[in-house]
Amino acid sequence: GENVEQHPSTLSVQEGDSAVIKCTYSDSASNYFPWYKQELGKRPQLIIDIRSNVGEKKDQRIAVTLNKTAKHFSLHITETQPEDSAVYFCAASGAGSRLTFGEGTQLTVNP
Amino acid sequence: NAGVTQTPKFQVLKTGQSMTLQCAQDMNHEYMSWYRQDPGMGLRLIHYSVGAGITDQGEVPNGYNVSRSTTEDFPLRLLSAAPSQTSVYFCASSAGQEWDTQYFGPGTRLTVL
Repeated sequence: GENVEQHPSTLSVQEGDSAVIKCTYSDSASNYFPWYKQELGKRPQLIIDIRSNVGEKKDQRIAVTLNKTAKHFSLHITETQPEDSAVYFCAASGAGSRLTFGEGTQLTVNP
Repeated sequence: NAGVTQTPKFQVLKTGQSMTLQCAQDMNHEYMSWYRQDPGMGLRLIHYSVGAGITDQGEVPNGYNVSRSTTEDFPLRLLSAAPSQTSVYFCASSAGQEWDTQYFGPGTRLTVL
């Protein structure tokens, strides 16, 4: 089955800096790669996603890049703000809508 | 639109007890799933369903049963609770295509003593 690895497990940045979280996946049949943000005690919420026919997608300060050949994808957050502090999860999905999640990255943005 | 709802929010069980975690969605979603979340281990898929009457096992199905008699409801049953099942449980649903957004419920925090 699919295996998703996520790095780093913790990331601390200064407000205004950029943050990058990287994930690799194992199943070349996976075609959909969402990113979720989870604040403490809350449910995971989708922040951005990308399909395999696209190499990059941006939404304001957030972008995701995908390299299907290398089987890795990354989340980029620019101009970080304290409210960006949360746990971020990457995931990969193939046929059947099964999502396999990475283990999460605790992002801390220091004012 | 309530989205995905889960009950209860918190539950404490003794080892060996059984219980059912409830999950419902009002978005007419075909795909529903259950995850457990443990510290440092992300979200792991327990069981999922691609439509009423159809269920399948995920990554960590042992000790759990599910059924899907209606499109709206997808209960998760713990047959004989064990301390290893202490976790936060999330239900999720999506329209069913692999690129459709999965929406999560608020979660149930379960402690097994």
